[in-house]
This record gives sequence, C-alpha cells and structure tokens, in this order.
Amino acid sequence: GQNIDQPTEMTATEGAIVQINCTYQTSGFNGLFWYQQHAGEAPTFLSYNVLDGLEEKGRFSSFLSRSKGYSYLLLKELQMKDSASYLCARVDSNYQLIWGAGTKLIIKP
Amino acid sequence: NAGVTQTPKFRILKIGQSMTLQCTQDMNHNYMYWYRQDPGMGLKLIYYSVGAGITDKGEVPNGYNVSRSTTEDFPLRLELAAPSQTSVYFCASSSKEGSYEQYFGPGTRLTVT
Repeated sequence: GQNIDQPTEMTATEGAIVQINCTYQTSGFNGLFWYQQHAGEAPTFLSYNVLDGLEEKGRFSSFLSRSKGYSYLLLKELQMKDSASYLCARVDSNYQLIWGAGTKLIIKP
Repeated sequence: NAGVTQTPKFRILKIGQSMTLQCTQDMNHNYMYWYRQDPGMGLKLIYYSVGAGITDKGEVPNGYNVSRSTTEDFPLRLELAAPSQTSVYFCASSSKEGSYEQYFGPGTRLTVT
C-alpha cells in the first residue's frame, strides 16, 4: 500500500505470541488503525492509536510511536481462529485511510 | 441492525457491460465509502460521501460513478466494464471521518472477462 509497509506473511504456533509490525510515512499523520480480515470476509476493527504508547484490549494490543512512524499489533495466546490477514491503515491529512497490503498470519497447531 | 449490506455477492460481467453495486447501511451513518481490494494490495478508496447529496473522489475513481440520494444508500456504478475492474468491492460506513471505526459490508466479488 501507499507509504505503508508490513510483512506479507508470518507463521506462528498456537498458544504463542506474535508481533506484526507496520511502518508508515509520518507526514500528515492523524492516527493508525488495525483491522482483521478473515479470508473471503470483510475487514473488522481491532484497534485505533493516535497517541504514543500501548493500547491493550484482551489478547490483542497495539503500539504506536509517532516519531518513528512505527506501530505493531501484538497477539497473545494465539488461537487457530486468529489465522487471518491483519491490515494496518493510517489516517492521512484529509482524514482518509491509507491501507497497507496486509499481513497474512498462519497459525500452526 | 443489519449493519452494512451489499448486493450482489458475486457477478461476472463482459467487457463493456455496465452494472450497479448496491450498498445500504442502517446505522444512520453520514460517512460512506467504496473501496476495491486487489490481491496483494491494500484497500483503495474509489469514492466517498460525507452525507446525502455530497460525494467526492478517492484515490482510484476512474471508471466509476456514485450517488447519495439518501443517508442509507450509496450505490456504485460501473460504466463500460474493463478487465482491470476485476476486484473485490467493499462498501463501508462510519459515524464520522478519520478516527472513527469503519463498518464494512460483506463485499462484492466482480470478474470482468
């Protein structure tokens, strides 16, 4: 995606922890979203960060560093149902979303 | 609430044909969006609307048109379909722009041959 970089694919083991990174262009930044998308389905909202730091929501946490143009999504206690693509999207200066291509997460038993 | 609904789910068009993708939301959201998603690419914004009667172009508007006559409905029109328009199309809505969660419809998988 335009000015958004995230790994194409990651593999992790059930019960483990995985961190999915996202880097973005810092100019005109107005916040960062993470969405989950299961194969053949629509994206669904996971988190939104606009200030630096870690936001925790159950097994999922999202971190933002505005000065570094960096965010990560941390998934704990992985379950098979977490197999999906994870989309990073930044809010630009026009308050529209610029989307990354997504990271496909494969969970193995 | 049904949320955001889209029809049809699947469609095959011949080159040069036209069609309308329907999108309806029942959350009374002012903001509505049309995206396309191609394999290995991020979602691309086609058109968006900030309220009934107001629409604006997104990143990839060529070959598409929209209208917003009511708060609920935001149809996307494809004129003279081309193979490059083969994609999955998602409609989304939000209560406000920017930092507000977007709710997505189930998508329309379109193939142009």
